[in-house]
Amino acid sequence: GAGVSQSPSNKVTEKGKDVELRCDPISGHTALYWYRQRLGQGLEFLIYFQGNSAPDKSGLPSDRFSAERTGESVSTLTIQRTQQEDSAVYLCASRLAPGESYEQYFGPGTRLTVT
Amino acid sequence: AQSVTQLDSHVSVSEGTPVLLRCNYSSSYSPSLFWYVQHPNKGLQLLLKYTSAATLVKGINGFEAEFKKSETSFHLTKPSAHMSDAAEYFCVVSGYSSASKIIFGSGTRLSIRP
Repeated sequence: GAGVSQSPSNKVTEKGKDVELRCDPISGHTALYWYRQRLGQGLEFLIYFQGNSAPDKSGLPSDRFSAERTGESVSTLTIQRTQQEDSAVYLCASRLAPGESYEQYFGPGTRLTVT
Repeated sequence: AQSVTQLDSHVSVSEGTPVLLRCNYSSSYSPSLFWYVQHPNKGLQLLLKYTSAATLVKGINGFEAEFKKSETSFHLTKPSAHMSDAAEYFCVVSGYSSASKIIFGSGTRLSIRP
């Protein structure tokens, strides 16, 4: 079946502009995660959605970052007033259920470049 | 505090020789453990996972890992490296006190010499 998809695959934006990144999880997956991966670095947790529960926003680096998810479907990550340090690959992952034994399925990522 | 530590940021081996990527974790609970691989400009792919069944776990592409509770380790091994194994590898621990928290190691870059 279809995997996790993300769009756009690449985004170049000017400093100060807002950007919106999209994630389509695997159908039926209740859990959805956003991560940031800077060049040559590991994954940095941003936000977690589980069903209709309040999201875990503990990883969002500033109030310029926000995310939404409608039910158990598409999620959008919005970065307002982008800064050069926001340049990174933004990865989305979905998971069938929140139990610890379930693996995550990752999308290909959106490469964001802020000029 | 719960954590996962990948002991080597970079490992280089010759093609055909064994691979060992080291991972240690700390946990108050019995965690689930995963290894993911990330090839250049690609997304992350699950290699294998441990979920409290057999302690020796076999994954894709000939990789395996052994869960050793006494050593709090989950090292990734492969008997014979192939050029296509060159990638970044992440050890991940899940479970702890909050199902939402999945802890990624900092990654180990594996290079393969011809």
